[in-house]
Formats: sequence, C-alpha cells, structure tokens
Amino acid sequence: KAGVTQTPRYLIKTRGQQVTLSCSPISGHRSVSWYQQTPGQGLQFLFEYFSETQRNKGNFPGRFSGRQFSNSRSEMNVSTLELGDSALYLCASSLAGPSNTGELFFGEGSRLTVL
Amino acid sequence: DAKTTQPNSMESNEEEPVHLPCNHSTISGTDYIHWYRQLPSQGPEYVIHGLTSNVNNRMASLAIAEDRKSSTLILHRATLRDAAVYYCILKRPGGGADGLTFGKGTHLIIQP
Repeated sequence: KAGVTQTPRYLIKTRGQQVTLSCSPISGHRSVSWYQQTPGQGLQFLFEYFSETQRNKGNFPGRFSGRQFSNSRSEMNVSTLELGDSALYLCASSLAGPSNTGELFFGEGSRLTVL
Repeated sequence: DAKTTQPNSMESNEEEPVHLPCNHSTISGTDYIHWYRQLPSQGPEYVIHGLTSNVNNRMASLAIAEDRKSSTLILHRATLRDAAVYYCILKRPGGGADGLTFGKGTHLIIQP
C-alpha cells in the first residue's frame, strides 16, 4: 500500500513568488491536513480538508491557501513568498473525517527555501 | 486552548526503559492523547494513542494519569533507532487547529 506522497521534495523560490505543493493521500483516505515545520516554531497546523471542504484552519495569514480534489489529492499554495516561509511542509492523511481520532499518516514533506 | 508541555530533550541508555512525560492540564473530556515521533529527515510517524485507559502496542505503552492531565509514553527497551523527536498532541473529534498543533516535542537521545 503506497504511503502519502508529496511533491516536489525540494524547491527554491525567491521572495514575492508563489508556490504550489501537492499531496497524494493513502488510497481510501479522505482527510488531508497540512503542517509547517520550522526549527523555531516546531510543527504547526495549517489546515485540514475532508471531502473537498476545508474543515479546520490554523493561525496563518491568507497567503496560505489550499484545496482538495474529488480524488482526495490536495494542494497548498503560498503566495507572495517571504523569507520566513522557508520550512518543511508536511502533509498527513487519515482514514475518516473530522470525527476521526485515529492515526495520521505523514508524507516526507516538501522542503521550501525562499531566497 | 488544549495544549501540551513536554521537556525539550531527554537522554537514555540503549536497552533501558524510557519514560517520556507530557502535561496537558487543560485537556477536555473528548480529547484523545496521541504520540508521534519524527526520525531525522522523515515525516512524523504514529506511535500510540489513548483516551482514558493505559494502552499497549508493539511500539510502546501509554500510561494516562487518572485525572488525564498528564501522560507518559514508555519505550520498554530503547534502541538506537528510537532516537527521534517525540510529540504528544491532543486530538478531539471534530478536529480543530488546537488539537492538531504538535509544538516542539522532546528530543530523545539514546546512548550506546
């Protein structure tokens, strides 16, 4: 069974640009959540999608957005990139929806560097 | 907001038990206690979770205080492969950002 796949694994952008990251969940998983990981702030929640709807959102500015497609694949977009957006962006999928209290399955992340 | 507090780092010797503490004094009745760990250059992986009773699985045991304001992840016999950052989080039905914030976790160092 394939795990959570994130693409690209590494990318470099410059300030002011925008970036789109992709996440393919485990087959059958309908919930996808996104996290930002930095050395200073640790692992912080960005947003969660279930059945193409954003169900929960973390405390990030509107430059961070996402969406989920009918096949449960998800993308997140960051516009007008800032140096502080340099981070590892992690995606996790889970079997059930927001009522799920079970385990999250994480991808290996997309490492974004903003110059 | 339901948050967790963990020590920044802990050190243990190989083949000895490790007890990783987590405080969650503002836990609500519906919050599940989850533990994940993150090995270098990898995404976090699930370890164990529980609600009220102690739980065991092949990776670890989870001991939950009677008042649920704290919990302890127990690795019965640490190996070098257990060196990782361990996160304790509270996850509630219905989700919510607070229940999905991992923080900085505990960096577990295993000495051979």
